[in-house]
Amino acid sequence: AQSVAQPEDQVNVAEGNPLTVKCTYSVSGNPYLFWYVQYPNRGLQFLLKYITGDNLVKGSYGFEAEFNKSQTSFHLKKPSALVSDSALYFCAVRDLYGDTGRRALTFGSGTRLQVQP
Amino acid sequence: DAGVIQSPRHEVTEMGQEVTLRCKPISGHNSLFWYRQTMMRGLELLIYFNNNVPIDDSGMPEDRFSAKMPNASFSTLKIQPSEPRDSAVYFCASRETGGANVLTFGAGSRLTVL
Repeated sequence: AQSVAQPEDQVNVAEGNPLTVKCTYSVSGNPYLFWYVQYPNRGLQFLLKYITGDNLVKGSYGFEAEFNKSQTSFHLKKPSALVSDSALYFCAVRDLYGDTGRRALTFGSGTRLQVQP
Repeated sequence: DAGVIQSPRHEVTEMGQEVTLRCKPISGHNSLFWYRQTMMRGLELLIYFNNNVPIDDSGMPEDRFSAKMPNASFSTLKIQPSEPRDSAVYFCASRETGGANVLTFGAGSRLTVL
């Protein structure tokens, strides 16, 4: 089975400071990993993904994430937070070699990011 | 492209009534997913279709829930009869062939069952 854990319900950071939103995963094979963001009353929007290659992936709005196979983590980062980054962030995983039933993404519980001015 | 289109955006109904949620995926996307979002359970996959065929419906809560995809441009999620515990935001998402699993989500349908 595949699963994702986001250990923090909420992360608070001051505008201009770096931010990290944590994610760990569990799959039986090699993972596809994703971050999505959800603004109030909206659907989820894709931020970035890791499939293979460089462990540091860059995405939309200045976000990046680092894949760490030994720690089974895929933390989301941004060097300088903006108030407009305040939203709900979801990590998701799919087992690269999963059977038919696991070709859908499994999402974490979400982390609310609050950036204070 | 208008993206994934869901309707209605909001639905308030009474327990026991039938509810039908609709989704139009992005043209050319061959996979469609229904997710449910609640505070208690987060985002749960209900069912997904590939080329209009249901592939995995193990997330459908019970027989009161059913989903169809009669053609590549339309899907429905039906709840009959509805119960208060079905209150949630229901999201539809689609994915293109070879799209490395990037899902595009609709804006969601917020269901309240009284």
